[in-house]
Amino acid sequence: EAAVTQSPRNKVTVTGGNVTLSCRQTNSHNYMYWYRQDTGHGLRLIHYSYGAGNLQIGDVPDGYKATRTTQEDFFLLLELASPSQTSLYFCASSENWNTLYFGAGTRLSVL
Amino acid sequence: QQQVRQSPQSLTVWEGETTILNCSYEDSTFDYFPWYRQFPGKSPALLIAISLVSNKKEDGRFTIFFNKREKKLSLHITDSQPGDSATYFCAASYQGGRALIFGTGTTVSVSP
Repeated sequence: EAAVTQSPRNKVTVTGGNVTLSCRQTNSHNYMYWYRQDTGHGLRLIHYSYGAGNLQIGDVPDGYKATRTTQEDFFLLLELASPSQTSLYFCASSENWNTLYFGAGTRLSVL
Repeated sequence: QQQVRQSPQSLTVWEGETTILNCSYEDSTFDYFPWYRQFPGKSPALLIAISLVSNKKEDGRFTIFFNKREKKLSLHITDSQPGDSATYFCAASYQGGRALIFGTGTTVSVSP
């Protein structure tokens, strides 16, 4: 089974703070994704990538940047964090975008 | 706007009953519809999926029924068990889309 590791698992920051969420997958999957999960909204796609150096905009990209440095590593950057970005963030990887393997999630609180 | 809609938001059933979860979509270009299950405190995982070429997909106690004309799907869980208590997400994608769009989810509670 695909292994997707997210770090940190929990993060607390203040409004205006700078946050980087990390994701690493060890199965050489082409596709990687960042979703946020909020009650009443389900899973919403922030950014995704289908290879090192590639970036695609998802449905809720405002306030987020992403970078895919290698086949394994995908980062989500919040440069000026706001309380509205308090959420549970999931990274996922996929070989062919049809089946997603999710990491354990990062819970972010912006105070 | 929500491209994939689910109902109800939550429901409670008794052990042994059939649970029915509903999903609808607007985009006619969607052609692949997976359902993901998320247990409390865990991450979502693929449960079962159907494509546009099928009207029905069965896997054990889980069955997807697909009405293409009305753009509606339903997930039926027969003989529901307490271990089925989870949140179920319907998702959709279109050929070449390279990403899944998820619905808001339905939280199921099965009482013994």
